[in-house]
Amino acid sequence: NAGVTQTPKFRVLKTGQSMTLLCAQDMNHEYMYWYRQDPGMGLRLIHYSVGEGTTAKGEVPDGYNVSRLKKQNFLLGLESAAPSQTSVYFCASSDDTATGSEQYFGPGTRLTVT
Amino acid sequence: DQQVKQNSPSLSVQEGRISILNCDYTNSMFDYFLWYKKYPAEGPTFLISISSIKDKNEDGRFTVFLNKSAKHLSLHIVPSQPGDSAVYFCAASAYSGAGSYQLTFGKGTKLSVIP
Repeated sequence: NAGVTQTPKFRVLKTGQSMTLLCAQDMNHEYMYWYRQDPGMGLRLIHYSVGEGTTAKGEVPDGYNVSRLKKQNFLLGLESAAPSQTSVYFCASSDDTATGSEQYFGPGTRLTVT
Repeated sequence: DQQVKQNSPSLSVQEGRISILNCDYTNSMFDYFLWYKKYPAEGPTFLISISSIKDKNEDGRFTVFLNKSAKHLSLHIVPSQPGDSAVYFCAASAYSGAGSYQLTFGKGTKLSVIP
């Protein structure tokens, strides 16, 4: 049981390049989330999904797109990377209990955009 | 506008003593509060939570207290151990519709437990 995994762990992009971050969970969770964490900041929600085939915007969605084609995977795309997207990205998942709140996090992807 | 505030960026405590981490919130719609612990180069891990209908929840060395009228919660760690050194995030949950709950995180408090 690997929990939540993220690929890649590190990436350096040039401004304008695109990339996709992959998140996978093996806990059969309905809900998945993408956060970013910047120095001195808490985690901010980018996009989330309440089930396979669904996505919704979070607090800071601009410049990102997501897809949830399979229940276990949640992809985060950057179509044209900008230096402001330099951050650590965390994926999380949770099940559909009444509170739905406890989230399980992956180890993070450190992205640098030059 | 920060809805979840952790006003102390850092805290140092001697091993064996009590660590008290504080968190304030502004949104009265929050109905569930959680503490996450984060080590460098790892993702946050869930530590303890409390429902808004309770004022205390205890799990071993960790206790969370909630004061709804003051919109304040605190995490007590006693006794503190060097392995507790990490960044602690306070998070609050509110229902956001379509069967989904969203977490709002504070900026975190870095706890250093000195041997």
